Amino acid sequence: GAGVSQSPSNKVTEKGKDVELRCDPISGHTALYWYRQSLGQGLEFLIYFQGNSAPDKSGLPSDRFSAERTGGSVSTLTIQRTQQEDSAVYLCASSLQTGGETQYFGPGTRLLVL
Amino acid sequence: RKEVEQDPGPFNVPEGATVAFNCTYSNSASQSFFWYRQDCRKEPKLLMSVYSSGNEDGRFTAQLNRASQYISLLIRDSKLSDSATYLCVVYLSGGYNKLIFGAGTRLAVHP
Repeated sequence: GAGVSQSPSNKVTEKGKDVELRCDPISGHTALYWYRQSLGQGLEFLIYFQGNSAPDKSGLPSDRFSAERTGGSVSTLTIQRTQQEDSAVYLCASSLQTGGETQYFGPGTRLLVL
Repeated sequence: RKEVEQDPGPFNVPEGATVAFNCTYSNSASQSFFWYRQDCRKEPKLLMSVYSSGNEDGRFTAQLNRASQYISLLIRDSKLSDSATYLCVVYLSGGYNKLIFGAGTRLAVHP
């Protein structure tokens, strides 16, 4: 079956521009997570969605970052007024439900802010 | 202090060697434990869960010591294809409901 897909796979943008990253989770997975991974670093939790509950935004680094999940499926992560330090790989993962189950990751979006 | 700490390595070992990775976690409320594998420029993938009694999957053995808040991964008879970064992961429940990833330990297996 189809796994988690993300688009675009690569994004180069200029400092100050807004970007939107998309995640399409595995069908039927109610939990969706966004992470950020800088070069040579571990995964940094950003935000997670569980069903219709309010998202846990505790990992978002600043108010320039926001995310939404429409219809309980596709999610979009938006970064406004990008900065060079936003350059990283943005990974999306989904799981059947929250509770410690396996998270399945998408291939990521590599963002480069010039 | 990081919530999950790992030796970043790299561990450079010859094929056939046995290698062990260690990990410590700081939150005693951690409920579930995992090892993920991440290949260069790829996404992380679950390698195995870690159970209190210890568990084995082929050449891989995972151990958990809750009292010491310590997790280990042992790889026997290393293969070239084992070269990757191994991420120690803990799951926090009780309102947190998130996985906390260590920064990873890099393994390079050479001929």
